[in-house]
Formats: sequence, structure tokens, C-alpha cells
Amino acid sequence: AQTVTQSQPEMSVQEAETVTLSCTYDTSESDYYLFWYKQPPSRQMILVIRQEAYKQQNATENRFSVNFQKAAKSFSLKISDSQLGDAAMYFCAYRDQGAQKLVFGQGTRLTINP
Amino acid sequence: GAVVSQHPSWVICKSGTSVKIECRSLDFQATTMFWYRQFPKQSLMLMATSNEGSKATYEQGVEKDKFLINHASLTLSTLTVTSAHPEDSSFYICSASRERGYGYTFGSGTRLTVV
Repeated sequence: AQTVTQSQPEMSVQEAETVTLSCTYDTSESDYYLFWYKQPPSRQMILVIRQEAYKQQNATENRFSVNFQKAAKSFSLKISDSQLGDAAMYFCAYRDQGAQKLVFGQGTRLTINP
Repeated sequence: GAVVSQHPSWVICKSGTSVKIECRSLDFQATTMFWYRQFPKQSLMLMATSNEGSKATYEQGVEKDKFLINHASLTLSTLTVTSAHPEDSSFYICSASRERGYGYTFGSGTRLTVV
């Protein structure tokens, strides 16, 4: 079964600085999707960024970008110019191309220090 | 676009009663919806996958007779917690998939407290 591991339970960063959240996954599949979701204190899950495994180019959404290393099965999230509103739990998630359900990591709690 | 509405946002019920939680996709048709349970400071635990017009598929360890899921239309799925007990108190979240690979839109969650 596929697994997703986030090895950093908590991270903190100074406002305006850059932080990288780690995620590794285990799969024998070649086609799949990877996601980062944000869960702020409101507990609403918000899609931050997604990556198709067949694409070599790393996905980018404004201040959020990923470093997708398929061979290493690594999918880290970089947040540039951190803002107070970025404070949240961040979950890495995986889905097989042919499957329906998401597999979530344990989450990383990100704190932004003003 | 891609909005999922979940109601109620919080509910308190007495032990032994049943409570229904609704999940609606407002601006798209969701052939598949998912129900999660989340304990404090933990990740989301998938309870079941519901496909429109068919029986839900429950994850191992989830009591299907306690957590009844109905997906009668392309825009509505319901989770009914039957004969609720205090240990069922938790945060329940639904999500819906618009199309494969696109990603999932989540409801805002329901905090259930059983007293």
C-alpha cells in the first residue's frame, strides 16, 4: 500500500523568509498525482498545489513551489516570502492515477513568526 | 468554482441518538465523495468512499452500520452517525472529486460532540 511520510511535525519561519516542508512517499506505480493541502485554524482544507508524476517540470503557484524528485520519491513544498496567513497545518497527499482516494501524510504544523 | 458545502458546522447530540451530516457540491457534479474523520492534531482518516447511486465502500475498521452513507444524487452525500456515543465525538470532513486528477474540494467540516 502507498504511504506518505512527513518527517517534520512542526516547523517555524520568520515572516518574509523561505521555508521548505518535506514529504516522501512510497509507491510502485509510475503514474500518480501529488498534492499539498493547507488546513488553517478554521480547519477548512485548501488545495495549495498539485503535481502530475509524468510532468518533469515542478509545479508553481505564486509563492508556493514544489521540488518533485520522482526517483527519490520526494515532494517538498517551498513557501517563499512567508506571510502570517500561511500559518497552518500542511498535508502532503498522494493518489494513484487509477484510484479514487487520497493518502495523506501526518501533517506539518507551520508557525510564522512576525 | 468547485465549492462543497457541509452542514451542520457543529452539532451536539445526546448519547444514543442519530445525527445526519450533509455534503453538497454546489457548482459541479460529484460522482465520488469521501468522508473523513479527524482527531485533534492528527491527519485525516478516510472512513468511506461514496459513489452516486451505489453502496459506499468503507475502509477497514469502520463500522458501516454505525456510519451510514448515502449518495443519492450527483450533488449530495450524507453521513448518518447512528446510536452515537461519546467516542464518536470528532471532526468529520467530506470531500468531492470533480474529475480524475483534478484534485479534491473539501467541505468546511462538522464538529460532532456526543454528550
